[in-house]
Amino acid sequence: ETGVTQTPRHLVMGMTNKKSLKCEQHLGHNAMYWYKQSAKKPLELMFVYSLEERVENNSVPSRFSPECPNSSHLFLHLHTLQPEDSALYLCASSQDWGGGADEQYFGPGTRLTVT
Amino acid sequence: GQNIDQPTEMTATEGAIVQINCTYQTSGFNGLFWYQQHAGEAPTFLSYNVLDGLEEKGRFSSFLSRSKGYSYLLLKELQMKDSASYLCAVEDSNYQLIWGAGTKLIIKP
Repeated sequence: ETGVTQTPRHLVMGMTNKKSLKCEQHLGHNAMYWYKQSAKKPLELMFVYSLEERVENNSVPSRFSPECPNSSHLFLHLHTLQPEDSALYLCASSQDWGGGADEQYFGPGTRLTVT
Repeated sequence: GQNIDQPTEMTATEGAIVQINCTYQTSGFNGLFWYQQHAGEAPTFLSYNVLDGLEEKGRFSSFLSRSKGYSYLLLKELQMKDSASYLCAVEDSNYQLIWGAGTKLIIKP
């Protein structure tokens, strides 16, 4: 595997379910990100991890819980979601956080539908 | 608040040239990025500007004017595969990327 991978690619869950999204990067990067992408809206940064430490505190509902066990893996734990949480969830990585010119490499995303 | 503006949709003809504009108001500036996103796929990096002027990379060029809070992406010799959304993003003083909603570019034969 190369680049950034995400599983699952598609997920349908009820509002009372608990599920997790997984992201893995094979690039040796130090920073990882979770984004939410809704139709016709800008990408919303949810969480940033640098060297396994969370560095951003964006206003994200507590029903989304990130976990970064090591610099290659990032999880997004989901529980009691709402229908408006249906979106494409993208994981990205970059060499470092706050590096200016460091481009972000994105995974293919998880298309989440909350019923 | 922070804001990135770009047109929602543009149409151009195969073989032609198109310019996609982006204006921004952000808390500080540490660089501007352009990404391409094909439908159903992940965004991929196109260009980065931090100093004023034009950066050229093959058929694609990106321009920046920091004093005007303005950038454009210029695509030459358009091909059908260039049909995609083009995302403008600015890194602010907190090293956070602020994204525009994207410009959907439709290429017609």
